[in-house]
Amino acid sequence: EAQVTQNPRYLITVTGKKLTVTCSQNMNHEYMSWYRQDPGLGLRQIYYSMNVEVTDKGDVPEGYKVSRKEKRNFPLILESPSPNQTSLYFCASTKLIIAGGITGELFFGEGSRLTVL
Amino acid sequence: ILNVEQSPQSLHVQEGDSTNFTCSFPSSNFYALHWYRWETAKSPEALFVMTLNGDEKKKGRISATLNTKEGYSYLYIKGSQPEDSATYLCASSAIQGAQKLVFGQGTRLTINP
Repeated sequence: EAQVTQNPRYLITVTGKKLTVTCSQNMNHEYMSWYRQDPGLGLRQIYYSMNVEVTDKGDVPEGYKVSRKEKRNFPLILESPSPNQTSLYFCASTKLIIAGGITGELFFGEGSRLTVL
Repeated sequence: ILNVEQSPQSLHVQEGDSTNFTCSFPSSNFYALHWYRWETAKSPEALFVMTLNGDEKKKGRISATLNTKEGYSYLYIKGSQPEDSATYLCASSAIQGAQKLVFGQGTRLTINP
């Protein structure tokens, strides 16, 4: 079954304790992206990756890091989480056309709800 | 940052009625427009991806139109059913930065039985 898998789905942590949210897709997609969703705001892009070893900042990258060492995995790293990073996080992936724009549908993971105390 | 606006923010519709809502985006340098349906406690699922001015797409009772010259897209739901209750998200990208998809805040649709 084609899917994007995120872990953990729920996490409560404390300020400053490093954590990683994993994302894995089994569709051989080039493009992967992380979004956060906060009440009253749309999905905001944190980081995205066009392919292995190619990553770039989205609109709200501060406080986050990513890596893309393998095509299927795109972990989101919070080196020193703070309460303002309490949010619902989504990972998504899609196939890229040659020109590099996103004209295919995004496939989303089930979301990871993170609370930082 | 690309600005994508959706209206209304929320909508209550009687079962059986038809409804529509709007997504506005910058018309200059337009690249693509996406619509997603997001049910509570689930992940967003794609409805349509449109790139050409005048595009119309349909999936069952749901359809969408695209006007890239004036920068808007409409989503229509015909004969609303309770299972249509969800948040509908649109997202747009520009030619410069076509890998960055910017989402609107969503329209939360509730169908009253």
